[in-house]
Amino acid sequence: QVQLVESGGGLVKPGGSLRLSCAASRLTFSDRYMSWIRQAPGKGLEWVAYISNSGSNTVYPDSVKGRFTVSRDNAKNSLFLQMNSLRAEDTALYYCVTTTGAGPLGHFDNWGQGSLVTVSS
Amino acid sequence: IVLTQSPATLSLSPGERATLSCRASQSVSSYLAWYQQKPGQAPRLLIYDASNRATGIPARFSGSGSGTDFTLTISSLESEDFAVYYCQQRSNSITFGQGTRLEIK
Repeated sequence: QVQLVESGGGLVKPGGSLRLSCAASRLTFSDRYMSWIRQAPGKGLEWVAYISNSGSNTVYPDSVKGRFTVSRDNAKNSLFLQMNSLRAEDTALYYCVTTTGAGPLGHFDNWGQGSLVTVSS
Repeated sequence: IVLTQSPATLSLSPGERATLSCRASQSVSSYLAWYQQKPGQAPRLLIYDASNRATGIPARFSGSGSGTDFTLTISSLESEDFAVYYCQQRSNSITFGQGTRLEIK
């Protein structure tokens, strides 16, 4: 059973920064494409970042492009999300997910339990 | 690409058949997935590429469609199926539908 454990969430002021981490186990991490997906309280799902297995290719939606950066350390089976210039609308539970599928980008077959980020003054 | 799910809420009884719809604003080919989310839990992948069941998903769940119109069918509802369901496309960037809440009647 794949295990994904997020950490690093918390309360941050608007304009501030935060770095989320995801520790992956029970999978060959270096083979897996990964993503971050968020869910605002009581709302639906929003994809925010995608990274290839080597880390050489990253993709973002316009809502976070230029503010968020996804990276990974395959030697440590870890995924990261650096979030800068945070806004109130970035408040959400952030999920680390494995991403799979032939063709464009992917679908999400394993999910962590999430890390809560709250942006408020 | 905007995904529109209908209905927003579906009220049914255990044993009944559930039909959930997802319509895309432009063709997504077969690059559509379905997820189930229960309160306090992370979503779970049910169906990928329109009609393929994910590992461990019961046969009562099935997906169909291509292009712009997709359907998730639950053939005979069990108590654990009452949840929120999301569709997701990956043809052009990644977007999710707004969800359908399946509730007990």
